[in-house]
Amino acid sequence: EAQVTQNPRYLITVTGKKLTVTCSQNMNHEYMSWYRQDPGLGLRQIYYSMNVEVTDKGDVPEGYKVSRKEKRNFPLILESPSPNQTSLYFCASSLGWGQGEDEQYFGPGTRLTVT
Amino acid sequence: KQEVTQIPAALSVPEGENLVLNCSFTDSAIYNLQWFRQDPGKGLTSLLLIQSSQREQTSGRLNASLDKSSGRSTLYIAASQPGDSATYLCAVTQGGSEKLVFGKGTKLTVNP
Repeated sequence: EAQVTQNPRYLITVTGKKLTVTCSQNMNHEYMSWYRQDPGLGLRQIYYSMNVEVTDKGDVPEGYKVSRKEKRNFPLILESPSPNQTSLYFCASSLGWGQGEDEQYFGPGTRLTVT
Repeated sequence: KQEVTQIPAALSVPEGENLVLNCSFTDSAIYNLQWFRQDPGKGLTSLLLIQSSQREQTSGRLNASLDKSSGRSTLYIAASQPGDSATYLCAVTQGGSEKLVFGKGTKLTVNP
């Protein structure tokens, strides 16, 4: 089944404890991205990747890191989480970018709480 | 900076009604526009993708139109059902960038 998976689905952690949220897709997609969703603010892009070893900042990259060492995986790293990073996080992928390849496939979401 | 607006923020209709959801964007230089559905606590599901050169797309009871010059899109849902209850989001792919810009969504409730 074609899908985007995220782990963990739920996470409660404390301020400053490094964490990684994994994202994996099995569709051989080139484009992957991370979003956070907050009440009243909607979905905002954190980082995106056009292909292996190619990443760039979205609209709200502060406090996050990403890497794209393999085409299928795009982990989101919070080196020192803070309470304002409490949010619902989504990973998404698409075949490419532009040229009609933009249909986005979203993962199920990761609900992160930082205390 | 591209801004995407969805009106209304919430809509409640009786089952069987035809309805229209609205999406507007400020910069017409887009590659395409997508409509998504989000169920509570779940991820987003792509419903329709309209390329900038297209005027509309249809899938079952759903029809999405795009008027790029006026910065507007509508999602028409025919014969609504309680199972259509969800939040509907539109997003534009901004020309010249690799970013997707989302509206804040319309929460639809279809009452039996």
